[in-house]
Amino acid sequence: QKEVEQNSGPLSVPEGAIASLNCTYSDRGSQSFFWYRQYSGKSPELIMFIYSNGDKEDGRFTAQLNKASQYVSLLIRDSQPSDSATYLCAAAGTASKLTFGTGTRLQVTL
Amino acid sequence: GAVVSQHPSWVICKSGTSVKIECRSLDFQATTMFWYRQFPKQSLMLMATSNEGSKATYEQGVEKDKFLINHASLTLSTLTVTSAHPEDSSFYICSARSISGGTDTQYFGPGTRLTVL
Repeated sequence: QKEVEQNSGPLSVPEGAIASLNCTYSDRGSQSFFWYRQYSGKSPELIMFIYSNGDKEDGRFTAQLNKASQYVSLLIRDSQPSDSATYLCAAAGTASKLTFGTGTRLQVTL
Repeated sequence: GAVVSQHPSWVICKSGTSVKIECRSLDFQATTMFWYRQFPKQSLMLMATSNEGSKATYEQGVEKDKFLINHASLTLSTLTVTSAHPEDSSFYICSARSISGGTDTQYFGPGTRLTVL
């Protein structure tokens, strides 16, 4: 059973702080990893993807991948109330099928 | 770029009827599309992989005769929920696979909320 694990939260951070979201995966064959943001009642929106070990930065977002530890994380700098959503981690396996975690709910407080 | 649409955005139907949901990639061609279902407060569950010009591949536990998938063109896949029942009420979301510039990603449609009375 291929699994992607996330803490369901809620993770509460004050506005302007750094939010750190974590994810572990069980399938060592997974090669690419994705972070999606999902607002309540809406479909997921792609934020970032990462294929290689290390960090990848895009604006306020940084994705980190450690394949040896089977660990993926997403950092959100200068968190804004509009960042409040559920963040889904996904690992891609064969034929690009995605296995999703259950998501971490982030709350950015004023 | 990478815009995916779904129609309808919501539908209410009576038990026993069939409902068709369309998924379109608007600005790219997608040989592969995926259909997911999401129940409240749960994550996305992959139902099936839709391949243009061939039969869909269903995940374990998903009834292929109940959830009919047709991927007739590079920009359109349809999911038909046949003889829908209240337990089929859910949020159905499609995604389209985009392979571009060395990256292989999925972009999601806005989803279709199905309510079966």
